[in-house]
Amino acid sequence: DAKTTQPPSMDCAEGRAANLPCNHSTISGNEYVYWYRQIHSQGPQYIIHGLKNNETNEMASLIITEDRKSSTLILPHATLRDTAVYYCIVRALSVAGGTSYGKLTFGQGTILTVHP
Amino acid sequence: EAQVTQNPRYLITVTGKKLTVTCSQNMNHEYMSWYRQDPGLGLRQIYYSMNVEVTDKGDVPEGYKVSRKEKRNFPLILESPSPNQTSLYFCASNPPGQSYEQYFGPGTRLTVT
Repeated sequence: DAKTTQPPSMDCAEGRAANLPCNHSTISGNEYVYWYRQIHSQGPQYIIHGLKNNETNEMASLIITEDRKSSTLILPHATLRDTAVYYCIVRALSVAGGTSYGKLTFGQGTILTVHP
Repeated sequence: EAQVTQNPRYLITVTGKKLTVTCSQNMNHEYMSWYRQDPGLGLRQIYYSMNVEVTDKGDVPEGYKVSRKEKRNFPLILESPSPNQTSLYFCASNPPGQSYEQYFGPGTRLTVT
């Protein structure tokens, strides 16, 4: 799985957009970019994923650069409840039965603090 | 409500006293796994299960056992806990074909003295 690099921490004002960057310069053609977050020792929560096109769901938007070497998770209107550690993970969808199927490798992530 | 549940949520025990942390999911998922989370080390996979009666080691299986007798349950067993197993444990599940979207339980904080 490709390695990712994220800033250790970021701040954001409540109501503003939070833009969390992730570098994954060694990403392979079949690897997806996934984002999870973990709110204060709770179980990680899936946010969004993408391969090469930009994606949007009810939680966030994911912008992937054309060369796929970096991406940005956007929380359009951050709230205090969005304060969490955000993890960018790059991996390929694996075939059921493979030894790495389903395993996610979490790095250190970005601590996002949303302040009033 | 679709969810993964774990019990207990908090546990303090002594070295060598066998314990079991239960995990249950109500989504009929085939794949389940256990992670532990330690400061500075992130989440590391302990064991996983592709389906009933099919389990395999993850990255840090030493000192742990698991079983998968029913699809919904995947208990984590510590036969002889040691202080280095003090950690925050998470159970997770996901349906086949969607290995990116894992559902995590709320966590079990275990302290072994």
